[in-house]
Amino acid sequence: GNSVTQMEGPVTLSEEAFLTINCTYTATGYPSLFWYVQYPGEGLQLLLKATKADDKGSNKGFEATYRKETTSFHLEKGSVQVSDSAVYFCALRRLRAGSYQLTFGKGTKLSVIP
Amino acid sequence: GAGVSQSPSNKVTEKGKDVELRCDPISGHTALYWYRQSLGQGLEFLIYFQGNSAPDKSGLPSDRFSAERTGGSVSTLTIQRTQQEDSAVYLCASSWVSWSDRGEYGYTFGSGTRLTVV
Repeated sequence: GNSVTQMEGPVTLSEEAFLTINCTYTATGYPSLFWYVQYPGEGLQLLLKATKADDKGSNKGFEATYRKETTSFHLEKGSVQVSDSAVYFCALRRLRAGSYQLTFGKGTKLSVIP
Repeated sequence: GAGVSQSPSNKVTEKGKDVELRCDPISGHTALYWYRQSLGQGLEFLIYFQGNSAPDKSGLPSDRFSAERTGGSVSTLTIQRTQQEDSAVYLCASSWVSWSDRGEYGYTFGSGTRLTVV
């Protein structure tokens, strides 16, 4: 079946540090890939997405590239800010039996300290 | 509405009681999903509604869980005879979907209902 594995947290970084959160997936065919973010006390929000191999999703300084050869979709940001502190979820979406079901990783908590 | 609305935001119930959780999706979104977020377990898919199609119930953990979506809009998730392991945040999401959709439309999540079974 479909599955998503992302690095376990928590991750603590200093402001302006480089961020990488690893995400790998298992799925048949060609899933769409997503990163969602959950800020403290808020619901999940779509951060970025990529729908085919070699696509790069980007938003708010975050980037992730759909790598089919390594089945990965790692999240990166060159210089994190305190306001980026949140839980980040990698997810894939695959059409299965008429259902576009999102499969999530377990989430990675990021804390950015001044 | 402007976003996905869930109610109540918090619910404390006694073990063995039934609970109903409500989700009001974004107007015009044809797809509606329920997920459960437990501490340290990530998000667990429960059920998916798409238009008039039969729902995908493959994620419901037991027959104590059921959901319906009336008129293609509001959805209610019902948990009967609640158990302590049902304690979690229940999230609803909606999306516009077409069968040619390659995931161009993200899901919009509600803020969730935090259920505590005591």
